[in-house]
Amino acid sequence: AQTVTQSQPEMSVQEAETVTLSCTYDTSENNYYLFWYKQPPSRQMILVIRQEAYKQQNATENRFSVNFQKAAKSFSLKISDSQLGDTAMYFCAFMISGGSNYKLTFGKGTLLTVNP
Amino acid sequence: AAGVIQSPRHLIKEKRETATLKCYPIPRHDTVYWYQQGPGQDPQFLISFYEKMQSDKGSIPDRFSAQQFSDYHSELNMSSLELGDSALYFCASSHSGTGAYEQYFGPGTRLTVT
Repeated sequence: AQTVTQSQPEMSVQEAETVTLSCTYDTSENNYYLFWYKQPPSRQMILVIRQEAYKQQNATENRFSVNFQKAAKSFSLKISDSQLGDTAMYFCAFMISGGSNYKLTFGKGTLLTVNP
Repeated sequence: AAGVIQSPRHLIKEKRETATLKCYPIPRHDTVYWYQQGPGQDPQFLISFYEKMQSDKGSIPDRFSAQQFSDYHSELNMSSLELGDSALYFCASSHSGTGAYEQYFGPGTRLTVT
């Protein structure tokens, strides 16, 4: 079974600064995807960024980037130029690639607060 | 662009009652996933369907059942409701051919059992 661990229950950052959220995972699979989802107070689940395990290059989406260390099974999210709208719960998630099912396994989440 | 639709958005039931949650996937999406998110918890996978057949099952109680219909919408039926069933229920959909790994989430149905 796959497990996802987010060791930071809460974090805070000043507006315009940079913050990094940590995530580690455990799996015996070689092909998989990793995701960061954002859940603002509206509770909507919003995909922030995706990383395919076979790709060595770290994914980037505007102000969001990841540091994917496959050997260490680490997948951190860096948010640059933090904005008030980034305040949300952030979930790291894992998905096995291939087969007939693509269910997501989530970590416990990190509550990020961006302060003005 | 069309998104995943869930109805109702809010539902209040009493213990031992039944509830039916509906999910309408994005057009041409053939796979539907159901997740349960308890208060202060992470979403937990319940069940999934691909082409109207159950494709995987997670931590779904026996009191719950679900199916996917010919138009690909899905319903989650919950019977003998318990206080612990109070949660946010998400439906997500994906297309197996073009983006099986890309799950699009609906806004969720908030179920409160009193």
